[in-house]
Amino acid sequence: NAGVTQTPKFQVLKTGQSMTLQCAQDMNHEYMSWYRQDPGMGLRLIHYSVGAGITDQGEVPNGYNVSRSTTEDFPLRLLSAAPSQTSVYFCASSLTSSYTDTQYFGPGTRLTVL
Amino acid sequence: TQLLEQSPQFLSIQEGENLTVYCNSSSVFSSLQWYRQEPGEGPVLLVTVVTGGEVKKLKRLTFQFGDARKDSSLHITAAQPGDTGLYLCAAIKQGAQKLVFGQGTRLTINP
Repeated sequence: NAGVTQTPKFQVLKTGQSMTLQCAQDMNHEYMSWYRQDPGMGLRLIHYSVGAGITDQGEVPNGYNVSRSTTEDFPLRLLSAAPSQTSVYFCASSLTSSYTDTQYFGPGTRLTVL
Repeated sequence: TQLLEQSPQFLSIQEGENLTVYCNSSSVFSSLQWYRQEPGEGPVLLVTVVTGGEVKKLKRLTFQFGDARKDSSLHITAAQPGDTGLYLCAAIKQGAQKLVFGQGTRLTINP
């Protein structure tokens, strides 16, 4: 089991560029989510998915798109990168959306937008 | 405004001392979780508490969920340098599916 994997580990973009952050899990988890972590802010939820074909917005969804075509993959797309999107991005998964399920986090992607 | 307020935000103590960090809110939660995060890695779940007044122990760590399910504390006994890290509380509001996090407590244990 690889758990939750994220690529790339580091990325530098110029303002206005687009890119996709990849997230995959091999645990057959229904629930997947994306967070961003900024200093002094903890983790803030961007988007989440309770199963293939179903996605919903979190606390800070603006500027990001997601899709969930398979159970395993949950990519996060930045349509037109802005300096305010400089952050560390974490993908997480859990068996279901139950509040007692353990969330497993990936190692993160550190994104810098110039 | 943070839904979950953690205090203190920074704590630096000597090895062997005891400490308590807090996670407070005005909202009622279905459950509350504590995570620990090391530099360059994702958070790792330490414990989930679901019942008001619940106390859970994990070796030298004691977690308590408030009676009204609005707050929680993490107590570490005889802290060790290996306890150094960022401690995050997270909770799901009643009726919601979204997990929200506090801003974290950065703990440093000096040898």
